[in-house]
Amino acid sequence: NAGVTQTPKFQVLKTGQSMTLQCAQDMNHEYMSWYRQDPGMGLRLIHYSVGAGITDQGEVPNGYNVSRSTTEDFPLRLLSAAPSQTSVYFCASSYRTGANSEAFFGQGTRLTVV
Amino acid sequence: GENVEQHPSTLSVQEGDSAVIKCTYSDSASNYFPWYKQELGKRPQLIIDIRSNVGEKKDQRIAVTLNKTAKHFSLHITETQPEDSAVYFCAASMADSWGKLQFGAGTQVVVTP
Repeated sequence: NAGVTQTPKFQVLKTGQSMTLQCAQDMNHEYMSWYRQDPGMGLRLIHYSVGAGITDQGEVPNGYNVSRSTTEDFPLRLLSAAPSQTSVYFCASSYRTGANSEAFFGQGTRLTVV
Repeated sequence: GENVEQHPSTLSVQEGDSAVIKCTYSDSASNYFPWYKQELGKRPQLIIDIRSNVGEKKDQRIAVTLNKTAKHFSLHITETQPEDSAVYFCAASMADSWGKLQFGAGTQVVVTP
């Protein structure tokens, strides 16, 4: 199993450009989520999904869209990049049990908006 | 919503000494408390977790304690080694909030030989 795979690993965007960060998992996990990591602020939840066709907003959703058409894929779209979106982005997945369970993270995407 | 505070932000210890990181949470409905370790340039990885029906859990040199009344939980690392140097994050999650984790700001641990 590859686990959680994110592409690209690095990206530089100009202000106003749009792009999609890709995330795929091969563990048949129901739950997938996107976090951004900024210095001194830990990881903050952007959007999450509890299954195909179901998404919801997290703590910092503005400027981002998501969709979940399959169990495996959960892409994050930046609509119009801003310098404030410069960050490291992590996708995570976890399986559904009777209680919360371990989140498996992708290797991250380092995004710079100039 | 849930708010998690983590202290200290940096921690320097001598090899062989113990390290303790403390977190507090705000929502009494939280019932799952994982700890993640992140090495430089790498992804966060789970090192230990605890659920609200348990007061303490150990795994070799790592232990986590939970005080539900005071709403705080702590990570204890004994006999620290240089490979323990990393950023450690605590997190909290509420029942039925499937996969939604509220993270603390992180603690940079440096173990000096």
